[in-house]
Amino acid sequence: DAGVIQSPRHEVTEMGQEVTLRCKPISGHNSLFWYRQTMMRGLELLIYFNNNVPIDDSGMPEDRFSAKMPNASFSTLKIQPSEPRDSAVYFCASTQRGTSGLQFFGPGTRLTVL
Amino acid sequence: AQSVSQHNHHVILSEAASLELGCNYSYGGTVNLFWYVQYPGQHLQLLLKYFSGDPLVKGIKGFEAEFIKSKFSFNLRKPSVQWSDTAEYFCAVNPGRRALTFGSGTRLQVQP
Repeated sequence: DAGVIQSPRHEVTEMGQEVTLRCKPISGHNSLFWYRQTMMRGLELLIYFNNNVPIDDSGMPEDRFSAKMPNASFSTLKIQPSEPRDSAVYFCASTQRGTSGLQFFGPGTRLTVL
Repeated sequence: AQSVSQHNHHVILSEAASLELGCNYSYGGTVNLFWYVQYPGQHLQLLLKYFSGDPLVKGIKGFEAEFIKSKFSFNLRKPSVQWSDTAEYFCAVNPGRRALTFGSGTRLQVQP
């Protein structure tokens, strides 16, 4: 299995631009998670989906952030408009029902907003 | 709300020294516990996990962790660290929900 796939691996953009991060979970996994990692705040859960349905989006910082999961094999995290404080590494993780929370992480997208 | 505390933020050891990283959680019910490791520039990888049974759990690369329910702790140990163990270590708790709650991480630096 290829594991969780994220793209792009690195993204540099200017303040005000729209940014879209992509994630492909492990095949057969039915839960998907988006995390943000920064030096200041550590690893934060932004949102997670069960069976493509958003379950908890309380970690989404503000309305500039949105996430979708149109099908079981694809999810996006969009930031519009982006700001310098959004600079972070964004991780996607997935898990399979019945694995008691064991999550597999993708390689992350390092986002830099200038 | 449940929380996870990792009291050691930065640990510096020499090779062959013994390691113990502390992890305490606040949730009172049944929990699943994890240690993840993040090597420099890489993503999080599972080191070991505890669901039930023997409270002493052995993971990869010689790591082990002990679940002490009365102390709400799940400390990570390794008898003899190597330079290649330099990484950041995260404790995480899943109290039956799908989402993990992570600690703030401990940065381990092993000097050759």
